[in-house]
Amino acid sequence: VQLVQSGAEMKKPGESVKISCEGSGYNFASFWIVWVRQMPGKGLEWMGTIYPGDSDTRYSPSFQGQVTISADKSLNTAYLQWSSLRASDTAIYYCAKSVVGDSYSYNYWGQGTLVTVSS
Amino acid sequence: ETVLTQSPATLSLSPGERATLSCRASQSVSSDLAWYQQKPGQPPRLLIYDASNRASGISARFSGSGSGTDFTLTISSLEPEDFAVYYCLQHGNWPPGFGQGTRLEIK
Repeated sequence: VQLVQSGAEMKKPGESVKISCEGSGYNFASFWIVWVRQMPGKGLEWMGTIYPGDSDTRYSPSFQGQVTISADKSLNTAYLQWSSLRASDTAIYYCAKSVVGDSYSYNYWGQGTLVTVSS
Repeated sequence: ETVLTQSPATLSLSPGERATLSCRASQSVSSDLAWYQQKPGQPPRLLIYDASNRASGISARFSGSGSGTDFTLTISSLEPEDFAVYYCLQHGNWPPGFGQGTRLEIK
């Protein structure tokens, strides 16, 4: 099982970006994928989750309307995107896969994608 | 929103000692709580799920207990590789959320 995330992004405020998380070694469509934010030197924040099989998506209220989570099960890939970045979006973003029988515990993680937003 | 409060913020212990980390929820989360370990520059690693179930490949020196609002992660005898930051995550109430973390450092 492996989750491989796309590379670091450096953007300006107001720009858009879409980062990805490609799963392999398991049935990608059958396990929830979560996105977690970690701002510089800070703790973990649960952003939202998607079930690639039917694209059922659930957001934390703190992130609802701020980001879009999507998935393409034919490509075994989940996405996290912003339409208009802010400096406060600077963080490492992790994707992770749920365990068997528990949609909200995560046993495999991507390596993280650093998004830097600066003018 | 359920708030998770971890204590202590920092725990200073020596290898071989026993570590006890606490996670308290502002309202009951049943047994829907997990523990993660994170080392610098690495993603989190699942240690315990459903409050007391050890994840695959996790050493038996890690154990979790508790239900409702009070949870404990115990490391029976610290190894050098155990010094890291530990987070609890609840999903008993919407939205899921992490505690602020406990830093376990070498004394």
